[in-house]
Amino acid sequence: AQSVTQPDIHITVSEGASLELRCNYSYGATPYLFWYVQSPGQGLQLLLKYFSGDTLVQGIKGFEAEFKRSQSSFNLRKPSVHWSDAAEYFCAVGSYNNNDMRFGAGTRLTVKP
Amino acid sequence: GAGVSQSPSNKVTEKGKDVELRCDPISGHTALYWYRQSLGQGLEFLIYFQGNSAPDKSGLPSDRFSAERTGGSVSTLTIQRTQQEDSAVYLCASRTISGSFLFGPGTRLTVL
Repeated sequence: AQSVTQPDIHITVSEGASLELRCNYSYGATPYLFWYVQSPGQGLQLLLKYFSGDTLVQGIKGFEAEFKRSQSSFNLRKPSVHWSDAAEYFCAVGSYNNNDMRFGAGTRLTVKP
Repeated sequence: GAGVSQSPSNKVTEKGKDVELRCDPISGHTALYWYRQSLGQGLEFLIYFQGNSAPDKSGLPSDRFSAERTGGSVSTLTIQRTQQEDSAVYLCASRTISGSFLFGPGTRLTVL
């Protein structure tokens, strides 16, 4: 069965600094990979997804993620963090029909002024 | 509708009582999922419905949990004889044509 590991439970960065959130997955076939964000009191919103093709994918709100098959990773990045980016971020892995999609435990991002 | 809706948004119940949580997925989406998010935890898969196929119940934590989907649309998650450890946010999601999930706002369940 597939699994997702987000090694960092909590990350704090200063506003304007760069950000990288780590995600490692275990999956026997070609994975479909996702990043979701959950702002306080809000539902989960899709940031970006990777199915195939270019391994560097762009998402909303200035986020990007890079799929590295050799490292089984799909790390999320943003060059300059804004205070409004403070939220919980979830990485997920699924198959082509996503009937077995699994989420990581999440990384809580705090942004310092 | 325009999105996935869930009701109630909040539910407070006493230990031992049964609760029903409702999910209205996006019209036309054939796949529907239930997840549970406990305080400080990630998303825990509960159950998955796809069209007329038998549901994947592999994530249900105990036989007190059950779910059904009527007419391939609305789904109800039922928890019998609730326990305090059932307290969590229960999230419903439907799968879009592109394969990603669209989540509902969740139902916050508190078991006293």
